[in-house]
Parts: sequence; C-alpha cells; structure tokens
Amino acid sequence: DQQVKQNSPSLSVQEGRISILNCDYTNSMFDYFLWYKKYPAEGPTFLISISSIKDKNEDGRFTVFLNKSAKHLSLHIVPSQPGDSAVYFCAASYFGNEKLTFGTGTRLTIIP
Amino acid sequence: GAVVSQHPSWVICKSGTSVKIECRSLDFQATTMFWYRQFPKQSLMLMATSNEGSKATYEQGVEKDKFLINHASLTLSTLTVTSAHPEDSSFYICSAQEGQGYYGYTFGSGTRLTVV
Repeated sequence: DQQVKQNSPSLSVQEGRISILNCDYTNSMFDYFLWYKKYPAEGPTFLISISSIKDKNEDGRFTVFLNKSAKHLSLHIVPSQPGDSAVYFCAASYFGNEKLTFGTGTRLTIIP
Repeated sequence: GAVVSQHPSWVICKSGTSVKIECRSLDFQATTMFWYRQFPKQSLMLMATSNEGSKATYEQGVEKDKFLINHASLTLSTLTVTSAHPEDSSFYICSAQEGQGYYGYTFGSGTRLTVV
C-alpha cells in the first residue's frame, strides 16, 4: 500500500525554466511533508518541508505547495540549474509518529 | 550542520556470510536512528527504528534475526546482515534523529551491498 506516490518517475526541464515535481498521498493523518534530494550512491539531503497548517513554504529557489483537500503537494524549482539534476523524494509523517513514509522518487534532469 | 557517517559505502560479500554496516552521528547525539533499504527505482523502505540502549523496533515483514540492529551509544548504530543471500543485495541507508521533531533527520551516505 503506497501511501505516498510520485507518479512521474522522470522529468526533463530546460535550464532556467521552472521544474515542478508532484506528490500525492492517501493517508489523511499526514500533517508534515518533506522533500529530499538524492544523488546516486548518496543518502538523501533535506530540501524543504511544509506543515499542514500552511499551504505554501518558500526557501530561495524552492517552493513547496500543499493542497490538503486534494492530498497533493508539489515542489517548484525556479530557475532550474544543472546541479538540480537528481532524484527527488517526497516524504510524509504525522504528529506522534516519527517515521517518514517516502514516495518512489522522481528523477529530474536539467538540460543545459 | 549535522553529519551522519555511514561505512562502508559499498561492500561485496559471499552468500552465507555476515556484513556489518555502521552509522555514526559525528557532531550530535542521536536519540533515534532509522534504517532503510532501497531497491532500484523504488522508494526508501523503513526497516527498523532503534533507540539507544533498547531493542530495535522492526517494520512488518523485516526479519529481526536476519537484520540485527544494535544502538549501543547515542552516536553509533550498527546493522548486521546475517547469512546474506543475493536477494539481500540492496542500498542500505541510515538516518539519525537529533532531538525531537521532524527537522532533525540526517541521512548517512548509504551502503551498497552486493551478495554474490
């Protein structure tokens, strides 16, 4: 039962344009969401997070949007840079449960 | 920032042997450590949660006698894959939590295990 889904396994975006990565979840108990970036043969690194009390959180080039009614979140990267090429995972958790549930990841390729 | 060191980064072992993977928090005390495995093109799947000085809590379907987890100190957790088989070949990643809350997760660099 995949509670966190990233339906696009891969995405290619031109350098300088906006990258939009999507994530859907099914468990209505989730109240905290995180995005991680992962390079091959490395562990994930934290990018940005959002609490369910917000619908938007911004950090530099990265913005995460949360639509609770649709159980959907998205990560926007603008402008996209070659160094952004990596696999991006969304993860979810809820108060009282410290475990993270990960999506399957989206491989983002930035085309110079 | 917080750093988690994981060793080895890759290991090849013969079927039937055991392999130990170490995860250390270098500049903070990790109250909780998590162990994940990742198969190609799949998500990170939580295997177990370990708290210092107590037995690990395993996720459903994970064999605790096969994947031995020891969290002997606030800075070190180990995962031992016992009697490894080719199907255990995977990418194993640890994560350490500093304090409470969602912000405190730091991942190790992962270990690629290949069992031949």
